[in-house]
Amino acid sequence: EAQVTQNPRYLITVTGKKLTVTCSQNMNHEYMSWYRQDPGLGLRQIYYSMNVEVTDKGDVPEGYKVSRKEKRNFPLILESPSPNQTSLYFCASKRAWTEAFFGQGTRLTVV
Amino acid sequence: GNSVTQMEGPVTLSEEAFLTINCTYTATGYPSLFWYVQYPGEGLQLLLKATKADDKGSNKGFEATYRKETTSFHLEKGSVQVSDSAVYFCALIATLTGGGNKLTFGTGTQLKVEL
Repeated sequence: EAQVTQNPRYLITVTGKKLTVTCSQNMNHEYMSWYRQDPGLGLRQIYYSMNVEVTDKGDVPEGYKVSRKEKRNFPLILESPSPNQTSLYFCASKRAWTEAFFGQGTRLTVV
Repeated sequence: GNSVTQMEGPVTLSEEAFLTINCTYTATGYPSLFWYVQYPGEGLQLLLKATKADDKGSNKGFEATYRKETTSFHLEKGSVQVSDSAVYFCALIATLTGGGNKLTFGTGTQLKVEL
């Protein structure tokens, strides 16, 4: 089954404790992205990747890092999380000029 | 820059009522347009799409027509069901911009359908 898999689904952490949210896709898509969803703001792109070892900032990259060492994986790293990063996060993958496929989401709470 | 504007929610309807969720856009070039649906506790799923002017996307009884002259892509359904309760997002990919084929989303419209 074609899918984008994120883990964990839920995470509560403390300010400053490094964390990684994993994302994996099995569709051999070139493009992968991370979004955060906040009430009244819709989805905003954090980082994206056009292929292995090619990543770039989206609209709200501050406080986040990503890597793309393999085509299928695109982890999101928060090196020193802060409460304003409490949000619902989605990973997505796609081919050029087509629709994106989304993971189930990761609800992160930073206390 | 590119942007998508959706009507504010929540929209509350009775079952079998007619649904319209308005969506207008601003984009460079010739965008492709999408409607995504997010059911409670789930990720976004593609509902329908249209890639050029006058195209009509349709799925599960929902329809939307790409209107270049009014820069709109309104979502409609003739008879909603309780199971349609969800958040609906309008989005676009603009063909003349970079950003890795970035999807630009509206803020979402919550639909509640009551018996």
